[in-house]
Amino acid sequence: DAKTTQPPSMDCAEGRAANLPCNHSTISGNEYVYWYRQIHSQGPQYIIHGLKNNETNEMASLIITEDRKSSTLILPHATLRDTAVYYCTEVQGAQKLVFGQGTRLTINP
Amino acid sequence: GAVVSQHPSWVICKSGTSVKIECRSLDFQATTMFWYRQFPKQSLMLMATSNEGSKATYEQGVEKDKFLINHASLTLSTLTVTSAHPEDSSFYICSAQGQRGWETQYFGPGTRLLVL
Repeated sequence: DAKTTQPPSMDCAEGRAANLPCNHSTISGNEYVYWYRQIHSQGPQYIIHGLKNNETNEMASLIITEDRKSSTLILPHATLRDTAVYYCTEVQGAQKLVFGQGTRLTINP
Repeated sequence: GAVVSQHPSWVICKSGTSVKIECRSLDFQATTMFWYRQFPKQSLMLMATSNEGSKATYEQGVEKDKFLINHASLTLSTLTVTSAHPEDSSFYICSAQGQRGWETQYFGPGTRLLVL
């Protein structure tokens, strides 16, 4: 079973920042937080990951709370192509990824 | 990011036949590859984990004799669905992880299987 919890769906206006929350109530100290997204009928796409510090790359920013019990993925300027199902997960090393139901993000024009 | 390919992208077969799906890491060597299955409107479910040169580890409820996995090289893993039936129709996705064991998993584009 998935260890993370996410809202089932969210809407965001095009051009605005999309903030997707994730709860990690049972995360252990050496597990990384990973975010992937899946656009319809495609394989999941890696977005970003982090352990303790906030991270930013060309796709998104990741905010992890100090107690690591929650994280937020931020898409700073959402476009229609960002419409997808977003998954947060926790993994240590070569462990398997366990996917929950994710958040279905819809970007509206 | 790293690139993972799958072949074929879609396949239609008759009930009782076997289907082989290939997963390749194109620009990195993958010690570990994972195979997932996804039914419509559901999340990805891990089927098995394969390490190069050793037997695959199957998740509970996945029949190892039905879903044969071979990981003969650091860039190729294959999943063979033997004696396929309509209930095996699904979206099959692989992921690959680099040699250092702690690296990011990258996913292939998926293979859609339809068994008639």
